[in-house]
Amino acid sequence: DTAVSQTPKYLVTQMGNDKSIKCEQNLGHDTMYWYKQDSKKFLKIMFSYNNKELIINETVPNRFSPKSPDKAHLNLHINSLELGDSAVYFCASSQVPTGDTQYFGPGTRLTVL
Amino acid sequence: SQQGEEDPQALSIQEGENATMNCSYKTSINNLQWYRQNSGRGLVHLILIRSNEREKHSGRLRVTLDTSKKSSSLLITASRAADTASYFCATGDYKLSFGAGTTVTVRA
Repeated sequence: DTAVSQTPKYLVTQMGNDKSIKCEQNLGHDTMYWYKQDSKKFLKIMFSYNNKELIINETVPNRFSPKSPDKAHLNLHINSLELGDSAVYFCASSQVPTGDTQYFGPGTRLTVL
Repeated sequence: SQQGEEDPQALSIQEGENATMNCSYKTSINNLQWYRQNSGRGLVHLILIRSNEREKHSGRLRVTLDTSKKSSSLLITASRAADTASYFCATGDYKLSFGAGTTVTVRA
């Protein structure tokens, strides 16, 4: 059984479009995260939710809006996509929000044309 | 900014050899984690070492931590082709900061 799953795996879209990426974890964890990995493999945290509440909100354009309908799901909606948004987006989860092992999804490769 | 920095950026070794990579970080930590990322996949947790630990083992992996030098090392012994991946160190409590990774290629 997949622990952390993301859909879609690949997303190719035009500049200016709006798109969503979905994430689900079946580990019973309280905390979920969104990371962005650029072409040089730098991985940077974007958001974190604990028990459906936003606890980390890095300096991310407000075109990015996370939503956590329940503890097992964390979705990422991106408005008005730009070329610079092209990257691999990873969802992750952990039991607790502090210094814990994180379990990563397989990633969503977003390409903005 | 990245908290951890791995060294070297890339490493190519023969199957059966050992691979060592280092991580340096800037601020004091409570723990440090190592992750592996195979090409096109998500990160997989390898080891977490706490600030009061000096060394930790997991199978063919050995991690050391020197808090006085703000550095950690990951040793993979008797490497296999399946160890070909990028390896990242990560520090932080509420939010993990990752280095740029060391790309390891194990040649058959």
